[in-house]
Amino acid sequence: ETGVTQTPRHLVMGMTNKKSLKCEQHLGHNAMYWYKQSAKKPLELMFVYNFKEQTENNSVPSRFSPECPNSSHLFLHLHTLQPEDSALYLCASSQVTSYYEQYFGPGTRLTVT
Amino acid sequence: AQTVTQSQPEMSVQEAETVTLSCTYDTSESDYYLFWYKQPPSRQMILVIRQEAYKQQNATENRFSVNFQKAAKSFSLKISDSQLGDAAMYFCAYRSGSEKLVFGKGTKLTVNP
Repeated sequence: ETGVTQTPRHLVMGMTNKKSLKCEQHLGHNAMYWYKQSAKKPLELMFVYNFKEQTENNSVPSRFSPECPNSSHLFLHLHTLQPEDSALYLCASSQVTSYYEQYFGPGTRLTVT
Repeated sequence: AQTVTQSQPEMSVQEAETVTLSCTYDTSESDYYLFWYKQPPSRQMILVIRQEAYKQQNATENRFSVNFQKAAKSFSLKISDSQLGDAAMYFCAYRSGSEKLVFGKGTKLTVNP
């Protein structure tokens, strides 16, 4: 596969469930990102990882827990979510030196019931 | 804080015609980057075009071009010879230095056959 892939593409979970979103990039990039996309709102940056180290956390609630085991993989662990967390979660990657040009995955459509 | 405003929630264009999507931004920086991203329905977000603020020449990519007015803080996207495949959400985005990408709320473009 090429580019940035995300699994699952759709996820429905209850408020007491624990689930994980996975992102993988095949571009040789060193930076990875999680974004939240809600209807009629700008994309919200959640987390940034550079060379596996978290460099940004935009005041994201602790019920979202990121993990970056290596430069190619990024996870978002979810637990005790709220209905307002329902959204499209996008993963992106970039070369650190070309920080501005980000390549996006197709997203995971999350519904919290 | 930097903000990006897309004043047109929705736009429509006839196939083969030209359409212009508006974007304004607010910044006190002199050096920054501007981008237009395209997000087709249920498909990945992709970079359409980018502009470096220090460049006076407007960026062009095939049928896509921008009108960058630095003093007015305006960055519009022109799509010429519109095609059905151009139908998508278009997001304007801004970045300065190592700061995060800031996105507008998007403009939904419909292309009518």
